[in-house]
Parts: sequence; structure tokens; C-alpha cells
Amino acid sequence: AQSVSQHNHHVILSEAASLELGCNYSYGGTVNLFWYVQYPGQHLQLLLKYFSGDPLVKGIKGFEAEFIKSKFSFNLRKPSVQWSDTAEYFCAVIPYGGSQGNLIFGKGTKLSVKP
Amino acid sequence: KAGVTQTPRYLIKTRGQQVTLSCSPISGHRSVSWYQQTPGQGLQFLFEYFSETQRNKGNFPGRFSGRQFSNSRSEMNVSTLELGDSALYLCASNTGGGSYYGYTFGSGTRLTVV
Repeated sequence: AQSVSQHNHHVILSEAASLELGCNYSYGGTVNLFWYVQYPGQHLQLLLKYFSGDPLVKGIKGFEAEFIKSKFSFNLRKPSVQWSDTAEYFCAVIPYGGSQGNLIFGKGTKLSVKP
Repeated sequence: KAGVTQTPRYLIKTRGQQVTLSCSPISGHRSVSWYQQTPGQGLQFLFEYFSETQRNKGNFPGRFSGRQFSNSRSEMNVSTLELGDSALYLCASNTGGGSYYGYTFGSGTRLTVV
């Protein structure tokens, strides 16, 4: 069965530090990839998505992600985090042509940013 | 435009009871997916409805069911509640044209079974 792994359960950074959150998926075919963020007490919001083309995808709030097909990875990055980035981050995958609506999520990474 | 609306926000039910949760998608969206979020299992797909038909289903027991109305609003029902059904239930709205158009999530219904 397809699965998504997020390597870090909890990441603690100081403001202005750089961020990289890992995401690997297990599926040999074409995939559509997403990163969602869940701020405390709020709903899941889409940060960015990748479908095809340039493997470096830019999203909202200064986030970007790089799709590396050979590594089955889609890591999220931000050059300089802010306290307001404290949230939980979820990587998700839908295999191309896969069942509609069935996003396969990783377990999430909690990011705590110290002011 | 209005986002995805889920009601109620919180529910407390007793084991053995049944519960119905509601989701109103973004206007014009015809697909609604449901997810269960728990600390242990994370986000797990329950089912997806499109044009009043269940199009896909996850690996949940038959106690979990849903339906969609002609206005695209969806309900999910859980019968014979168990303690393990305590979770945040999320719905996601999509145009119905595929994952390219993205999925917009509601704020969820927090169900506690006692």
C-alpha cells in the first residue's frame, strides 16, 4: 500500500533559522504532491502542490519544496522561519490516476519556533 | 467565497450511540471527502462523494457511512459508537475535476465518545 513518511515528529528552531522538513513516499508511478499546514486551532491549509514541470515549487508564506523523483522525496524548505510558522506540517500524496479525494498523508511534523 | 463549513464543531456521545456530522463544501464544488484525524493514526481517508455518489472508500468498518445531497452538502454517520471513534473528523471540498484543483479543508468536528 502507498505510504508517506515524515522523518521528524517534532522540530524546534529559533527564529531566523532555516527549515527543511523531510517527506518520502512509497509509490513507483507518477504522483501529485502536497504540503499542508495546520496552525494551532485552525484548519488544514494548502502551502504548495506539485503536479508536473519544474521540480522546485514555490508556495505561500515563503515556503518552497523540491521534488526529487529518484529519491521519492518532496522536502519542504524555508530559508528563515518566524515564530508565526509554529504549526504542524503534513505531506500528502495522490498517485496520478488514483482514487479521487484519497490524499495519503504523512503523520505530520510539529514545528516549534522559539522567539 | 465562503469556505468549507462543518457542523457541529464539538460533539460528546456515549458508546453505542450514533452520530451524524455535516459538511457544506465551497459553492460550486461537487466533491466532498471525509477524513479521520487521531494522534496515533494521523489523517486517514474515509470516503469521497461526487454528484451524490460514493466514488471512493477507505478501510473503515461499515459503521461509517455517508451520503451527499443534490446541493453537494454531505453528511457522515457513525453508528454504534466505540471509544476509538473519538477523533477530529475533517471534510475536504474539491471541484470534482481532480486533485489538480486542490482540496480545501473545513475546521472539523471534534467527536468525543465516552
